[in-house]
Amino acid sequence: EIVLTQSPATLSLSPGERATLSCRASQSVSSYLAWYQQKPGQAPRLLIYDASNRATGIPARFSGSGSGTDFTLTISSLEPEDFAVYYCQQRSNWRYTFGQGTKLEIK
Amino acid sequence: EVQLVESGGGLVQPGGSLRLSCAASGFTVSSNYMSWVRQAPGKGLEWVSVIYSGGSTYYADSVKGRFTISRDNSKNTLYLQMNSLRAEDTAVYYCASPLTVGATGAFDIWGQGTMVTVSS
Repeated sequence: EIVLTQSPATLSLSPGERATLSCRASQSVSSYLAWYQQKPGQAPRLLIYDASNRATGIPARFSGSGSGTDFTLTISSLEPEDFAVYYCQQRSNWRYTFGQGTKLEIK
Repeated sequence: EVQLVESGGGLVQPGGSLRLSCAASGFTVSSNYMSWVRQAPGKGLEWVSVIYSGGSTYYADSVKGRFTISRDNSKNTLYLQMNSLRAEDTAVYYCASPLTVGATGAFDIWGQGTMVTVSS
């Protein structure tokens, strides 16, 4: 099973700042890496798929990069609605795993 | 409207069984892969199972041998049969599917979730 490790566990920033979230895979996942945002009481929302493609309706301030084992989600300038928990997710050998999540909180 | 609606959650005793349903509208459940993902209270997301368009199924090690994923194309509905339930299966269960992202391994449509509580 491929393990995804996200860092940091918690990120404290202010609106307008840049956020950089990391996801590292225990072995290569090629580019089958997605990022989700989840707010309390809501289902996850897809932000990025195939490591760098924004999903429909996702603002341009969200961007993804990386391949192989190291991936990054960047939020260029934080808006108040961006404070939430973020998960990375991979598919390999027909199975899926999620990272443990990064909580982005207001400083 | 494109949506997924789960049902079937509830309170069940350890060792018991439950069947979850996920009714799809606006697209066909057999057109691509569909998964179940769960989230224990206060915890992160955990992938549970997937069924591919050709019918192949896969499971997380934590549920293998106890859970069965299936679909009824005539009802456009996905199911999760859960047997031998344990306290650690307590979670919100979501169904999820790709809609606009093709076979990329991502899920861009999710249901609202259904709560399963395993307790005596």
